[in-house]
Amino acid sequence: EPEVTQTPSHQVTQMGQEVILRCVPISNHLYFYWYRQILGQKVEFLVSFYNNEISEKSEIFDDQFSVERPDGSNFTLKIRSTKLEDSAMYFCASMRPGNTEAFFGQGTRLTVV
Amino acid sequence: GQNIDQPTEMTATEGAIVQINCTYQTSGFNGLFWYQQHAGEAPTFLSYNVLDGLEEKGRFSSFLSRSKGYSYLLLKELQMKDSASYLCAANYGGATNKLIFGTGTLLAVQP
Repeated sequence: EPEVTQTPSHQVTQMGQEVILRCVPISNHLYFYWYRQILGQKVEFLVSFYNNEISEKSEIFDDQFSVERPDGSNFTLKIRSTKLEDSAMYFCASMRPGNTEAFFGQGTRLTVV
Repeated sequence: GQNIDQPTEMTATEGAIVQINCTYQTSGFNGLFWYQQHAGEAPTFLSYNVLDGLEEKGRFSSFLSRSKGYSYLLLKELQMKDSASYLCAANYGGATNKLIFGTGTLLAVQP
């Protein structure tokens, strides 16, 4: 069964460093999302991406964040200068046209120290 | 804002039935998802309701009332492995079909 894959599963980084979280969505999906979940809190929408551009972003998704789909298969989330409060699980999700079920990856646990 | 409300915690007994309620704001609403999430793992899809009524899928059922902004997830014949967080998430459509999640209900199934 096709699935969304994310790498790495766990990343530890120092405050101020740049991180890139990678996702490979399901191949025939066209809508892509990043969500995050701070430990013990709810899953929060960060950004949606369609047709090679951001279609919506939340207040959380400030100038420190960016997304790319560099090669038609990978979908990346970059945080330019990480802060302690960026520590969270980051989930990638994808959806195919005409459907509303989002398939989630297993997540990347980002720890900023 | 688009608040999703559900109880924080529930406890139930193995073999029993439990109902987890969720309320949401109806303006712009498209449909309602339920996800299961074990600690440290990704949410896994359980159900999706867009029309009023009950959708049954094995031991799990989900109900929606669009006019009341209300949904519930019903779990029957509870098993220990059902101990997890159950996330209610509303799709408000628009151009993105993004999901707005509730805080999740942590269900503890006891022997």
